[in-house]
Amino acid sequence: DIVLTQSPGTLSLSPGERATLSCRASQSVSSNYLAWYQQKPGQAPRLLIYGASSRATGIPDRFSGSGSGTDFTLTISRLEPEDFAVYYCQRYGSSPLTFGPGTKVDIK
Amino acid sequence: EVQLRESGGGLVKPGGSLRLSCAASGFTFSSYSMNWVRQAPGKGLEWVSSISSSSSYIYYADSVKGRFTISRDNAKNSLYLQMDSLRAEDTAVYYCAREGAGTLAPSYWGQGTLVTVSS
Repeated sequence: DIVLTQSPGTLSLSPGERATLSCRASQSVSSNYLAWYQQKPGQAPRLLIYGASSRATGIPDRFSGSGSGTDFTLTISRLEPEDFAVYYCQRYGSSPLTFGPGTKVDIK
Repeated sequence: EVQLRESGGGLVKPGGSLRLSCAASGFTFSSYSMNWVRQAPGKGLEWVSSISSSSSYIYYADSVKGRFTISRDNAKNSLYLQMDSLRAEDTAVYYCAREGAGTLAPSYWGQGTLVTVSS
């Protein structure tokens, strides 16, 4: 099974700064079936990015995804107050779907 | 508007059973694969099970295989998760999630229902 590793575990930044989150897979992710989710306390996850780089409906363009194969990146160009949350990468498209352990982006 | 509403969570003793439901509205339920994903308190997300639109394909995480059964009733726009032989480690918020219109990624999520397994 593919294992996803996310780094860093916690990212402490200020509003307006750029955030770069990493997701590494133990094997190549076929068809770039890699998604990113945002989750705030007490809320369900929200899909941000699918297909490694396609923004989901309604997602601001400050969120961007890149990468292929085993290395993927979520970039938030300028952090807004509402962006402080936990971010998960996920491999989908075939069983088992797997999630990374998450990166918490908190306010510095 | 796509809406998913989970129900059926609660407190159950180890070894007990529980059946979760997910009521879907705002879309053609029979056209989409569905998933159950859970999150233990303070922990990350864990995929549990998936079912294709016509129930032809069903998959489970190893952690629940043989104990949980996913099913759906397209006539009732509903998804189910029958959970048997429950363990303390099954304690979690359980979310149902629908694949996207242009992607297999779980794109729409319910608000979740809490299952607590404790004596």
